Amino acid sequence: EVQLVESGGGLVQPGGSLRLSCAASGFTFSSYWMHWVRQAPGKGLVWVSRINSDGNITRYADSVKGRFTISRDNAKNTLYLQMNSLRAEDTAVYYCARDAGYSSSWTFDYWGQGTLVTVSS
Amino acid sequence: SYELTQPPSVSVSPGQTASITCSGYKLGDKYACWYQQKPGQSPVLVIYQDTKRPSGIPERFSGSNSGNTATLTISGTQAMDEADYYCQAWDSSIVVFGGGTKLTVL
Repeated sequence: EVQLVESGGGLVQPGGSLRLSCAASGFTFSSYWMHWVRQAPGKGLVWVSRINSDGNITRYADSVKGRFTISRDNAKNTLYLQMNSLRAEDTAVYYCARDAGYSSSWTFDYWGQGTLVTVSS
Repeated sequence: SYELTQPPSVSVSPGQTASITCSGYKLGDKYACWYQQKPGQSPVLVIYQDTKRPSGIPERFSGSNSGNTATLTISGTQAMDEADYYCQAWDSSIVVFGGGTKLTVL
């Protein structure tokens, strides 16, 4: 059974940093692209970042570029999101999601349960 | 930047057909997919590559995509289908979600 379990969320002050983790199991983690998607309270889904299976190709939404860094450790089956210079508008539930690998499309076939990040003084 | 537009809400009576639209410039030239999200839960993929259903998704869920509009159709809507639905596509290597549609079954 595919499982994605996020951790690392919490309350952080504006300008602070946080590192999220996503532990994967039930599939060959090293074979899949992975993504982070966030959802502000009461709002819609917003894509944040993706990383290829080897960890050497990354892409970010403009809203987080230069502040967030996605990475992965295939030996530990874990995806990360390092978040720096956090702002109030980064407050959201952060989901990790597996890319299904379908041709010509980015599609998320499995999602974690999410971890809440609150940026507030 | 690319945008996908969904109606904020759609209402349907039990047993009837619900249609949720998603509009974007030349969306029909791209693949669209749809996610269902119930309160307090993570999203679930219900349609991918415009028309395909993942394993375990009921046949009453179907999709289409042409021109500037993708449509999620739920035939014989059940109370359990009440949820938020999000369309998603990509453009210039960026993943884009629609704003979401709250489906009410009443």
